[in-house]
Amino acid sequence: EVQVLESGGDSVQPGGSLRLSCAASGFTFKAYAFTWVRQAPGRGLEWVATASGTGGSTYYADSVKGRFTISRDNSRNTLYLQMSSLKVEDTAIYYCAKGDSGSFSSYYFYMAVWGKGTTVSVSS
Amino acid sequence: QSILTQPPSASGTPGQRVIMSCSGGSSNIGSNTVVWYQQLPGTAPRLLIYRNNQRPSGVPDRFSGSKSGTSASLAISGLQSEDEADYHCAGWDDSLNGPVFGGGTKLTVL
Repeated sequence: EVQVLESGGDSVQPGGSLRLSCAASGFTFKAYAFTWVRQAPGRGLEWVATASGTGGSTYYADSVKGRFTISRDNSRNTLYLQMSSLKVEDTAIYYCAKGDSGSFSSYYFYMAVWGKGTTVSVSS
Repeated sequence: QSILTQPPSASGTPGQRVIMSCSGGSSNIGSNTVVWYQQLPGTAPRLLIYRNNQRPSGVPDRFSGSKSGTSASLAISGLQSEDEADYHCAGWDDSLNGPVFGGGTKLTVL
């Protein structure tokens, strides 16, 4: 069974840092791109970052570029999101989602399997 | 404010056919495919439709998607109470070089 499970969400102060993890099982992890998507309270979904299957290519939304770093350890079947210089507007549920291909493009941008999410709260 | 525009709410009665819209522009829906996600209350999103009208295995054929120009639609026929959820559209945006989402439509089954 394909499973994706996020962890690491917490409450932090503005300017702080946090690392999210996403453990995957039930498929060949390195064969698929993985994406972080967030949802602020009562709001819609927002793409955050994507790593290709090999981890050699990474992509970021402008809202997090320079502050967040996506990475993956294919030997541990785990995806990470290192978040720094956190802002109040980063408060959200962060979902880890499996793509349908190892690449990330206009043809393969959709998220086929989603985790249950982990909550990040940024406030003073 | 979301790049793609969806009406905030929709409703229907059991057995009815409901259509939800998603409007974009030439850099997203107008030149790329559309995806729909279903988010049941208190749960994570689930892929419902990809590449405009393709259903992943396990998604009932009551759900169908279409696209015309810079707009897309999700239709649900034979509406059921368990269809009550938020529905999010998404597309690739060539200008932003990444996916963009609509704000979501909350579907209420009366």
